[in-house]
Amino acid sequence: NAGVTQTPKFQVLKTGQSMTLQCAQDMNHNSMYWYRQDPGMGLRLIYYSASEGTTDKGEVPNGYNVSRLNKREFSLRLESAAPSQTSVYFCASSEYGSWQGGGEQYFGPGTRLTVT
Amino acid sequence: TQLLEQSPQFLSIQEGENLTVYCNSSSVFSSLQWYRQEPGEGPVLLVTVVTGGEVKKLKRLTFQFGDARKDSSLHITAAQPGDTGLYLCAVITGTASKLTFGTGTRLQVTL
Repeated sequence: NAGVTQTPKFQVLKTGQSMTLQCAQDMNHNSMYWYRQDPGMGLRLIYYSASEGTTDKGEVPNGYNVSRLNKREFSLRLESAAPSQTSVYFCASSEYGSWQGGGEQYFGPGTRLTVT
Repeated sequence: TQLLEQSPQFLSIQEGENLTVYCNSSSVFSSLQWYRQEPGEGPVLLVTVVTGGEVKKLKRLTFQFGDARKDSSLHITAAQPGDTGLYLCAVITGTASKLTFGTGTRLQVTL
């Protein structure tokens, strides 16, 4: 079991460029999440998908879009990157869906993105 | 306004010392989680506490949930270099098991 995998691990973009961060999980989890982590800010939720076919905004969704391609994969797209989007991005998955009390989230290793 | 306030923000101690980190809020929660994040990796769940006053032990780590379920503490006994990392508390908010994280306590344990 690979758990949660993310690609790429590192990326440098110029302002205005676009890119897609890929995430996949092999634990058959229903829910998947994208967070960003900035110094002194902890992890903040960008978007989440409670189940295949659904996506919803989190705390900081502006400038991002997501796609839940299937149960395994959840991608995050930056259409026009800005320096404020320089951050470390984490994907996570959880066995529990919205109808349950919630449980452990499993995180990928992160993507370090720099926008110049 | 941060939902979860963690203190201290940074802690640098020597091997063998004891320490306590705190996670505080003005809100009441049904449960609270602690994660540890090592450099270059994603957070990993250490424990979930669900009952007011609950104490859970994980080897040298002791977790306590406040009686009013508004705060929690993590105590490490005889810290080791392997304890180095970022300690994050988190609570489930809303639906779909969404987590809200505190800002974290960065711990460095030196020989």
